[in-house]
Amino acid sequence: GEEVAQTPKHLVRGEGQKAKLYCAPIKGHSYVFWYQQVLKNEFKFLISFQNENVFDETGMPKERFSAKCLPNSPCSLEIQATKLEDSAVYFCASSQFRAENTEAFFGQGTRLTVV
Amino acid sequence: AQTVTQSQPEMSVQEAETVTLSCTYDTSESDYYLFWYKQPPSRQMILVIRQEAYKQQNATENRFSVNFQKAAKSFSLKISDSQLGDAAMYFCAYRPVKAAGNKLTFGGGTRVLVKP
Repeated sequence: GEEVAQTPKHLVRGEGQKAKLYCAPIKGHSYVFWYQQVLKNEFKFLISFQNENVFDETGMPKERFSAKCLPNSPCSLEIQATKLEDSAVYFCASSQFRAENTEAFFGQGTRLTVV
Repeated sequence: AQTVTQSQPEMSVQEAETVTLSCTYDTSESDYYLFWYKQPPSRQMILVIRQEAYKQQNATENRFSVNFQKAAKSFSLKISDSQLGDAAMYFCAYRPVKAAGNKLTFGGGTRVLVKP
């Protein structure tokens, strides 16, 4: 597709429940990124993939967060046992392989509310 | 570690006037990109302008221009002839050139209010 598609747009989970977010990157893009935007508007990098392989996972809270990008499937970000502090907008972005003159294209985000 | 700082949480501008948003960053890299993204209430992140660090000339895109001062590690955005549609959060961001897989590091954002 020509845009990064994120589903669902909104997700409400009770504390302790699982949340799973999906992202279909732009066709032909090699990199996928996940960012968390908390209510203070700050962006926190979570993880990036180069195709199916984890490229950088330095931002991932390892205990409850996991992510995958499998061939021929949307990428996913899963949060086990959600906590109130996980409430945020989660953005997916994708970019082409080349390093020069390339930009990251963002999806519209998934707003996760943990109650 | 790279950091990006936007010192103005909010800026107000009269329609048709000019507003300048400040951004400073810290990095030990010599080659990098700097970006300004606009985030309207719809949440969509829209790239406004991009600057390559090796270029001395400041980038411009229609009513948007930057003042890039590499030695001072400063990257301000000027919005000229402000329009109501410019009202949004604006984020400054940094990325090393080395690989497209390098993450963006964002500043904390500046909210721009446009008064009619």
